[in-house]
Amino acid sequence: GIQVEQSPPDLILQEGANSTLRCNFSDSVNNLQWFHQNPWGQLINLFYIPSGTKQNGRLSATTVATERYSLLYISSSQTTDSGVYFCAVVSGGSYIPTFGRGTSLIVHP
Amino acid sequence: EAGVAQSPRYKIIEKRQSVAFWCNPISGHATLYWYQQILGQGPKLLIQFQNNGVVDDSQLPKDRFSAERLKGVDSTLKIQPAKLEDSAVYLCASSFLATVPEQFFGPGTRLTVL
Repeated sequence: GIQVEQSPPDLILQEGANSTLRCNFSDSVNNLQWFHQNPWGQLINLFYIPSGTKQNGRLSATTVATERYSLLYISSSQTTDSGVYFCAVVSGGSYIPTFGRGTSLIVHP
Repeated sequence: EAGVAQSPRYKIIEKRQSVAFWCNPISGHATLYWYQQILGQGPKLLIQFQNNGVVDDSQLPKDRFSAERLKGVDSTLKIQPAKLEDSAVYLCASSFLATVPEQFFGPGTRLTVL
């Protein structure tokens, strides 16, 4: 099946810093989503982005499907950004979602 | 619009006991997913339904896990008998269609097997 790799696995920032999270995938995809899992375990949709670029406030994402990667940008990070960020893909033709192992982010005040 | 509902939120059982989880997806969503998330890992898909049919259950341990979605709306996931390694968070998600796979997740059920 499709392989999804996220980097870095862990990230520690000071409040106000910017960061870039990466998701690489091994095959063509129909869909790609970015999620934030908060400390209570709830998975919150950030972006539904099979291709192109989207922005929502301090967050933006870019997926380059032809090169099999996606990037999540967090600007001016806040302590509430702490948690685990997951990338999930749906591979071409199968419609079966696969998650990466996530990037754990800690933002210190 | 109401989100995905799950119950119970927490469950503690002893090994070899049975347990069931319930999920109510977003109204109008035809596709429903059950995931298992072990601490420190990403969610792993157990089973995917399209209406009341199974799209994929290749990672469901069928000797002990079962799931149903009889009327194409609510779903239950059962474990019988439970093992220690089943301790995890069980997440339910739904999407409008499998071909429109933007998923929305419920709060999850945290299962501890002692």
